[in-house]
Amino acid sequence: AQSVTQLDSHVSVSEGTPVLLRCNYSSSYSPSLFWYVQHPNKGLQLLLKYTSAATLVKGINGFEAEFKKSETSFHLTKPSAHMSDAAEYFCVVSDWSGGTSYGKLTFGQGTILTVHP
Amino acid sequence: EAQVTQNPRYLITVTGKKLTVTCSQNMNHEYMSWYRQDPGLGLRQIYYSMNVEVTDKGDVPEGYKVSRKEKRNFPLILESPSPNQTSLYFCASVLTSGNPGELFFGEGSRLTVL
Repeated sequence: AQSVTQLDSHVSVSEGTPVLLRCNYSSSYSPSLFWYVQHPNKGLQLLLKYTSAATLVKGINGFEAEFKKSETSFHLTKPSAHMSDAAEYFCVVSDWSGGTSYGKLTFGQGTILTVHP
Repeated sequence: EAQVTQNPRYLITVTGKKLTVTCSQNMNHEYMSWYRQDPGLGLRQIYYSMNVEVTDKGDVPEGYKVSRKEKRNFPLILESPSPNQTSLYFCASVLTSGNPGELFFGEGSRLTVL
């Protein structure tokens, strides 16, 4: 079984300050991990993904995440927050292990990021 | 333009009245999936389909049915809706060949069951 825990339901930062959204996962195999963003009244958009290549993954809009197997973590960071980053963020784990199957996805509960001027 | 289209976007219905939420993608993706989003619970997978005529249960399949007769379409059927199925529903698709690619999500369908 796999699971995902997003450690903060809400994070509030000031514009121009760093962002840290925390995610821990549980998996009995080498997982694939993703971060998705959801802006109000929109569907989800992929920010970045980890699939057993480089442990530091760069995504869109200046976000990056580091896979730490020893800590079972996949925290999302951004050096400087922008007002447009205000949204809900989801950490996702997949049991995909290669080949043509996609695997089962498990979503975290979400973290709402608020950015103050 | 590559997209996943869901209809209807908003629906209010009554308990027991069968309804179907359609999902169509124009990217020739093999994998399609339905999720429901509820506050504080994130997204939970209802059903998924690896390809035509291949479907499987996700985490919360009770009260739902799906079919995959064509590659592009993956309708979600609520045979007898109940108030606990009031939720925001998302359809998503992805090309499964090779690495897991980007999940493309529809805009969502907000369903209220009275």
